[in-house]
Parts: sequence; structure tokens; C-alpha cells
Amino acid sequence: DIQMTQSPSSLSASVGDRVTITCQASQDISNYLNWYQQKPGKAPKLLIYDASNLETGVPSRFSGSGSGTDFTFTISSLQPEDIATYYCQQYDNLPRTFGPGTKVDIK
Amino acid sequence: QVQLQESGPGLVKPSQTLSLTCTVSGGSISSGGYYWSWIRQHPGKGLEWIGYIYYSGSTYYNPSLKSRVTISVDTSKNQFSLKLSSVTAADTAVYYCARDSLASVRFDYWGQGTLVTVSS
Repeated sequence: DIQMTQSPSSLSASVGDRVTITCQASQDISNYLNWYQQKPGKAPKLLIYDASNLETGVPSRFSGSGSGTDFTFTISSLQPEDIATYYCQQYDNLPRTFGPGTKVDIK
Repeated sequence: QVQLQESGPGLVKPSQTLSLTCTVSGGSISSGGYYWSWIRQHPGKGLEWIGYIYYSGSTYYNPSLKSRVTISVDTSKNQFSLKLSSVTAADTAVYYCARDSLASVRFDYWGQGTLVTVSS
């Protein structure tokens, strides 16, 4: 299985801050990476697919980049409604695997 | 708008079989172009992909659960189902069904999730 790691595991930031989360794959996955947002008690929501494509309807303050083994997810200006846990997920190989998540809250 | 809804018992006894169904509305499972997946989340933990099925019935299961998992599809009812046998407390989790888009592989629609507790 391809192992996914994320850092940090949690972070606190102020409203308006730029927030960056990194995701690393245990082997080259090209750009076969997605990012999800999960709010407490809710199902995950797709934000970014193919490493850098914004899902329809998702605010433009969310972005993703990277390829190979190293990926970055950015919130350009943190909003109160962005409080959630964010997961990366690879689909280069089966089984599909997720990162452990990064919990984001407001300072 | 595609919607998915999980249903099934919220409590299962150890050693028994967990059975869940996902009903899809707003789109036909038979239309192709999508895999239909089950994903679970242990309390307070991350996401674990269980497996998927195509409308034709072809499946892929996570090797970590393969010996205990069966996913099936009923296109006449626009449903797909999960069976997990010989459950233990370690199978207590929120179970999600999700659509797995083939065109650009991603879980683009999810059910709300259902908590299944394994306890006597």
C-alpha cells in the first residue's frame, strides 16, 4: 500500500492567515492526489482533485500543488467556516489510501 | 443532484455480519463511469477505504479486509451493499458510501455516514 503522511497533525491560525498543509506519499504518485475537508459530524467534502484542480463550487481561497511524492494544500485567507480536518488521498495505486488528517482551528 | 444514503443496523453483535445498504438517487448506478465505494472512519480517527464495485458487479477490496468483505450491487433498486463478516469491536466505525468518479478519480459524492457499533 502507498502510505500517506501529513504535517502538521494540527494547527491554529488567525482569521485571514495563510495556512499550508503538506502531504507526502511513500512513492511517486504523479498528480493522483485529492484533498478533502471534513467538519465534525459530517462526511468529507472534496475540495481539490488531481493535486491542483478546484472542485466546482469550492471557494478559490483553497488551492493545491505538487507532484511525485510531495504535495501542498493552501488556504490563502483562513475563514471561520474553514475549521475542519483536512485529508489528502492518493489514487495512483489500489487500495486507495488517505493521509492521517490535519486539524485546523482558529487561534 | 446525486445523493447517497446509508441504511442498516446501528448495533451488531461480535462475530456476526455487519450489513449496510447505500441507496443512490439523482443518478443511475447502471449509467457507468463510476465506481461505488465504502469507506469507514473509526471514532476520532482517519479514513479507511474498504472497497468498490462497478455496476457490472466487478469489485476490488482492500487487502486488509478482503477476507471478510463482500460488496454487491442491485441495479434494479439503484443500491449497493456492504457485508463485513466476523465483526469485532475494532469494526466499530462510521461507515460511508461514496461515488468514485472514473473520469478523474475522486470521491465526489458521499452519504452522510452511519455509525455501526459492535457490542454484545
